[in-house]
Amino acid sequence: KAGVTQTPRYLIKTRGQQVTLSCSPISGHRSVSWYQQTPGQGLQFLFEYFSETQRNKGNFPGRFSGRQFSNSRSEMNVSTLELGDSALYLCASSSEPDRGTDTQYFGPGTRLTVL
Amino acid sequence: DAKTTQPTSMDCAEGRAANLPCNHSTISGNEYVYWYRQIHSQGPQYIIHGLKNNETNEMASLIITEDRKSSTLILPHATLRDTAVYYCIVRVGGFTGTASKLTFGTGTRLQVTL
Repeated sequence: KAGVTQTPRYLIKTRGQQVTLSCSPISGHRSVSWYQQTPGQGLQFLFEYFSETQRNKGNFPGRFSGRQFSNSRSEMNVSTLELGDSALYLCASSSEPDRGTDTQYFGPGTRLTVL
Repeated sequence: DAKTTQPTSMDCAEGRAANLPCNHSTISGNEYVYWYRQIHSQGPQYIIHGLKNNETNEMASLIITEDRKSSTLILPHATLRDTAVYYCIVRVGGFTGTASKLTFGTGTRLQVTL
């Protein structure tokens, strides 16, 4: 099976702009989670989508949003970009997210740089 | 989820076993221990997980103490490609709507050298 794919891999934006990142989960996986990784804060959970519904959300401002489509592909959007939004954005998918023993598989990430 | 404590960094000679410890003294009975690793700026890679029994797969072995308050990830024959940050994560098992959230700590930076 193909792994989790994320597009684009690299992105440069300026402050105030908005950005949309895309994630395609492993075939058959219905849950997609998003994480932000920065040198200062490490890996932090953003939100999780399952069957097109956001089920869990981390402690991030409303500028961070997402959605999931019927084919389980997911997008996340960041509006009014700030310098601090520069980070590696990671997407992970799993098949049975309600089972605590289910494994999440991560994509390669999208490196966002805000100038 | 229970908090974990890991050494900041470790070194290992290539070909030797790498033993990475993790302390999770507040772990609950329904919490699993997961290990992921992240090679420089790539996405985290799943390695192994366990509840109370020792586990082994093609990548590593996981040894969990009888009281479950600590565990050790063992890479039996470390290679240069095993240089990465290794994360020990404790995660609630069973059916729960918050199970999908992984809480990453700072991990252990393993440097494998010639």
